[in-house]
Amino acid sequence: EVQLVESGGGLVQPGGSLRLSCAASGFTVSSNYMSWVRQAPGKGLEWVSVIYSGGSTYYADSVKGRFTISRDNSKNTLYLQMNSLRAEDTAVYYCARDRVGQYYYYYYMDVWGKGTTVTVSS
Amino acid sequence: EIVMMQSPATLSVSPGERATLSCRASQSVSSNLAWYQQKPGQAPRLLIYGASTRATGIPARFSGSGSGTEFTLTISSLQSEDFAVYYCQQYNNWPPSITFGQGTRLEIK
Repeated sequence: EVQLVESGGGLVQPGGSLRLSCAASGFTVSSNYMSWVRQAPGKGLEWVSVIYSGGSTYYADSVKGRFTISRDNSKNTLYLQMNSLRAEDTAVYYCARDRVGQYYYYYYMDVWGKGTTVTVSS
Repeated sequence: EIVMMQSPATLSVSPGERATLSCRASQSVSSNLAWYQQKPGQAPRLLIYGASTRATGIPARFSGSGSGTEFTLTISSLQSEDFAVYYCQQYNNWPPSITFGQGTRLEIK
């Protein structure tokens, strides 16, 4: 069964750090584009970061320079290292598998984890 | 960056009736548009990709249409389980990024 399971969320003080994990089963993380998407309480979805199968990484402006996406191929796991956390980073963080068509004719997320909650507060 | 705008913010429809949700892009995205459904406390669920292709396991009452800047998600006969929030999503080529619409809440009338 294709599945994603996030972990690592919790309560952290402003300025602190947290590392989220996303364990995949049923498919290979390194062969796919993988994204992190977050959702602040009562708000909509916000894309955070993507790592391409080739290793290129991209970030939303709101997290650039503070967050780092990575993967461990041996563990088939995706990570999001979050530093210099702010109150506005409080959200449920989802990892997702991205599907990409040739020449990016289509781009969508077909598998999602259940999410892990990050709360930034003093 | 391409901005996605969904309308209406909230749509009230009776079970069994048709619901039509709109998503507009600030510039053409061709057919590179996906729709998701999200219920309270759950992760988003892919419904439609490529503007009109249903994802695996999605009932035929869900259909997507449009291209360029105007897109529509239609639910032909609403079931109780369809009341949720719906998001559209597109991909920006450069710099690479993904944009979601702000969502449409579909509620029972």
